[in-house]
Amino acid sequence: SQQGEEDPQALSIQEGENATMNCSYKTSINNLQWYRQNSGRGLVHLILIRSNEREKHSGRLRVTLDTSKKSSSLLITASRAADTASYFCATVGNSGYALNFGKGTSLLVTP
Amino acid sequence: DTGVSQDPRHKITKRGQNVTFRCDPISEHNRLYWYRQTLGQGPEFLTYFQNEAQLEKSRLLSDRFSAERPKGSFSTLEIQRTEQGDSAMYLCASSLVTYNEQFFGPGTRLTVL
Repeated sequence: SQQGEEDPQALSIQEGENATMNCSYKTSINNLQWYRQNSGRGLVHLILIRSNEREKHSGRLRVTLDTSKKSSSLLITASRAADTASYFCATVGNSGYALNFGKGTSLLVTP
Repeated sequence: DTGVSQDPRHKITKRGQNVTFRCDPISEHNRLYWYRQTLGQGPEFLTYFQNEAQLEKSRLLSDRFSAERPKGSFSTLEIQRTEQGDSAMYLCASSLVTYNEQFFGPGTRLTVL
């Protein structure tokens, strides 16, 4: 069964706007990761945030983690058409190996 | 290209046939994972190898599924007596250590007619 739930399921914005996606999960985690998937490049790791971290940045990406609410958010600033893809959050439990993915958010960025 | 590779990229088979997929991980990665992804869903974990040892299998991996990693390098995933419900994208990933990011291959898309 899927561990995470992303919200919204689909998001459509224009280039230059910011995109925010949310993820909720159910059990305790070691870390939470965000991945992007499109037909051209497959599934690609974007950013990892550990359970003792609250916020992390990487380029135009900002991730927050609230372990008390079991939720995370991914913010993409100044979006580009090339950001069009599906975005998944994936949690890693104490076993350390299996990624538990949500169903994903489908992002469409129009020029 | 030194990323994870998978072969074949597409496989069409008839119900009841056996199929085998291959995954070549990044060369220095001793951890290898298989996932399955159906349309509109996120990938679901199937199994995990550390070197040649298969350390975990998901309940999704029925008796018709078997995975091997004989020399701790490439891995194969075999599905026997395929069913239409096996139609999915099968993804392989590798990593250097646990708890960190996994590097995914392009996947093998299986269609069972």
